[in-house]
Order: sequence, then structure tokens, then C-alpha cells
Amino acid sequence: EDQVTQSPEALRLQEGESSSLNCSYTVSGLRGLFWYRQDPGKGPEFLFTLYSAGEEKEKERLKATLTKKESFLHITAPKPEDSATYLCAVQAPGSARQLTFGSGTQLTVLP
Amino acid sequence: NAGVTQTPKFQVLKTGQSMTLQCAQDMNHNSMYWYRQDPGMGLRLIYYSASEGTTDKGEVPNGYNVSRLNKREFSLRLESAAPSQTSVYFCASKTRDGTYNEQFFGPGTRLTVL
Repeated sequence: EDQVTQSPEALRLQEGESSSLNCSYTVSGLRGLFWYRQDPGKGPEFLFTLYSAGEEKEKERLKATLTKKESFLHITAPKPEDSATYLCAVQAPGSARQLTFGSGTQLTVLP
Repeated sequence: NAGVTQTPKFQVLKTGQSMTLQCAQDMNHNSMYWYRQDPGMGLRLIYYSASEGTTDKGEVPNGYNVSRLNKREFSLRLESAAPSQTSVYFCASKTRDGTYNEQFFGPGTRLTVL
């Protein structure tokens, strides 16, 4: 059974204090790992897709990386507007329609 | 483009009542999905539609039915609501089923069943 575990559950940072969020996964033959951002009362907003170990993608202050067992979302010099819940999801072979989601990391960036 | 839209935004039902959640997308996507989100459990797939005219069960289909009305619209029906169906419901779409690309989500419907 595919499993996704995100840590920490919650993270509080001061503005400008860089950190990383972790997404550990157990899936046979990963076909895609997705990062989403979710603001309170809103739907998940797509950030990145990673397909193979060693791949990296960047967007503004966010950088996502992928290994064979986990993915990291690095946040460099965060701002209060980066506060949100960050969700990780995976797709395995033969389940191209179904994403398995983690429970998310709730990030709070204090001014 | 509005992307994925959902109605209503909020709904309160009594046990046993029925209702339909509406979803529409204007991105010309073939595949559409219904998820529920509960605290501490992540998003779970209820039903999906790989293409117009087809629907299939996801991980947690019991108590729900769906209709793919046309390429744009995918509705979720609760025939007899139960308190266990209190949740936030999200509709999503993507270009085509069978591909490993991203899904795009709507703003959600917050449902409370008393």
C-alpha cells in the first residue's frame, strides 16, 4: 500500500529563517511526486511535479528536491505570505488516476 | 479562465437529507475527480471520471454517487447524508487520465451533517 508521511506536522519560522519540509513515501516505482500549497478555506494549489530521483524544481523562495525515498521542500528566506499548509502526493504505476496524499505540514511565518 | 468551480461553498444538512455538489471546469480537461478532506487524514478519492461518459469508484465511494453530465461538469450526490460525511469536498481535473501530470483543484464545499 502506498504511504506518504509528512513532517513536521507544524512549523513556525521567523521571517527570513530558512527551513525544509519533508515528505517520505513508500511506493513501488514512483511515477510522480506532487507538491501543493493550501491556504485556509481554499483548495490545494499546484506547485511542483517531480518525476525522478535527483530532480529539482524552483519557484520564487521554494525549491523541491527528490530522492528515492523522500522529497524536500526547501523554503529560503520565507515571508509571512508563505504561511500555508503544504501537501505532498504520489502516484504509482497502474494508478495514474489516484493521488495518495500526506496529511500536510502547516507552516507559519512570523513577521 | 475560472479553472475549477464548485457550488455551494457551504452546506448544512440533517441526517437522511440528500444533496448534490456541483463541479465545473473550463480548461477542456478530460478527467475529473471528487475528494474529501478530513483533519489528519489527507485528501481521499471518492469517485473519478476518466473521460466523458465514464465513472469509477475511488478509495471511499460508499454513500455517494456521481454523474459526469458532460465534459465540463461532474456532480457528486449524497442520497441519505450521515454525520460521517461531514467533511470538505474538493473537485479536481486534469488533462487526461492515464497520465502522470498534475490535478487542479476547486475551492471546496464545506458540508456539515447534523
